[in-house]
Amino acid sequence: QKEVEQDPGPLSVPEGAIVSLNCTYSNSAFQYFMWYRQYSRKGPELLMYTYSSGNKEDGRFTAQVDKSSKYISLFIRDSQPSDSATYLCAMSAGAGGTSYGKLTFGQGTILTVHP
Amino acid sequence: DTGVSQDPRHKITKRGQNVTFRCDPISEHNRLYWYRQTLGQGPEFLTYFQNEAQLEKSRLLSDRFSAERPKGSFSTLEIQRTEQGDSAMYLCASSPRHYEQYFGPGTRLTVT
Repeated sequence: QKEVEQDPGPLSVPEGAIVSLNCTYSNSAFQYFMWYRQYSRKGPELLMYTYSSGNKEDGRFTAQVDKSSKYISLFIRDSQPSDSATYLCAMSAGAGGTSYGKLTFGQGTILTVHP
Repeated sequence: DTGVSQDPRHKITKRGQNVTFRCDPISEHNRLYWYRQTLGQGPEFLTYFQNEAQLEKSRLLSDRFSAERPKGSFSTLEIQRTEQGDSAMYLCASSPRHYEQYFGPGTRLTVT
């Protein structure tokens, strides 16, 4: 079983829809949670990061972390065709954790927003 | 552009040859990471430098792989005696804090 599980999709939605992307994880040492966006044949682009449980909002993007359920989500409001990409969740342990200093990624979810 | 840069962007090599990739991090970042990504998968951690010290290496980094970061600036990743299974995108990232990693465009390696 992988440490981080992410539904690969693909996910197709109409422009303006609310998109929900999710990851589950098994390593209770993870304390930092990130979302990256990756366009085809490009490097991942950091969208948001959160520490421990809670919500964080940045424009049309909202990240949620539920450590008790080992579940994280990214919501995209008013989705646009330019949001079409692969979305990767990533996690890291805190200082002293065995995976401190590296990110463990999910498989990525392919999102297409059609006009 | 002051982001992370990688060179070359694409490399095609024959099996058994050696290849070397370069990464130039964001100048004020003291942490540098290498990852490998295959089609349809998320990046997998290979190794991590803080300044010039290599602090962690993945079990994925076999004896044929070596990474250096002389003087704590740019880094190189060398693969010796390449195999077809080494074909992947090799990504470099730099960060001011371990969880805030910024990636370069990657080097796509094809081993024929």
